Amino acid sequence: GAGVSQTPSNKVTEKGKYVELRCDPISGHTALYWYRQSLGQGPEFLIYFQGTGAADDSGLPNDRFFAVRPEGSVSTLKIQRTERGDSAVYLCASTKGGGATEAFFGQGTRLTVV
Amino acid sequence: SQQGEEDPQALSIQEGENATMNCSYKTSINNLQWYRQNSGRGLVHLILIRSNEREKHSGRLRVTLDTSKKSSSLLITASRAADTASYFCATDAGTALIFGKGTTLSVSS
Repeated sequence: GAGVSQTPSNKVTEKGKYVELRCDPISGHTALYWYRQSLGQGPEFLIYFQGTGAADDSGLPNDRFFAVRPEGSVSTLKIQRTERGDSAVYLCASTKGGGATEAFFGQGTRLTVV
Repeated sequence: SQQGEEDPQALSIQEGENATMNCSYKTSINNLQWYRQNSGRGLVHLILIRSNEREKHSGRLRVTLDTSKKSSSLLITASRAADTASYFCATDAGTALIFGKGTTLSVSS
């Protein structure tokens, strides 16, 4: 596609439920990033993929969070047993990879846990 | 984790004035980037400066980088109401881009 696409744009879920957030990066971009942003804060790094593998998952807050990118394109961020503190905007970005390049961001998924 | 810290947290100016935002970071970097965000959703890349560069221009934007002080500044000249947004610096140390907390710029006409 022309840009990074994230679905859904908004998600409301009940505490304790499981959610999946999807990111479709720009075609041909090898690197993909997930960030979480709370109101008034900067994007907080969660995980970075280079191709199919997670190159750096040090930002995942706990084992309730997991992300996959099985074919090196679309990625899914999975959150188990959601908590109210998980409410935030989840941003995805992709880059061409291989050096100093700009990141292209999707519009984010606003997750609200009630 | 967040490496960069922008200063000031908020800035209010009149149209036509210049806006300067600063960013400090902690570790060695390959490059530093500035992004803009409207309405808390997707970020848009503005400019990238490599660690061996000291200054870079793009239109009304001027970025400086001082690796000895681990700091960068973003200058927006002749600001417009449409420049109202949040601005973030992001450092690239070879893996993930790490963002600061941002500066909220408000330009009034």
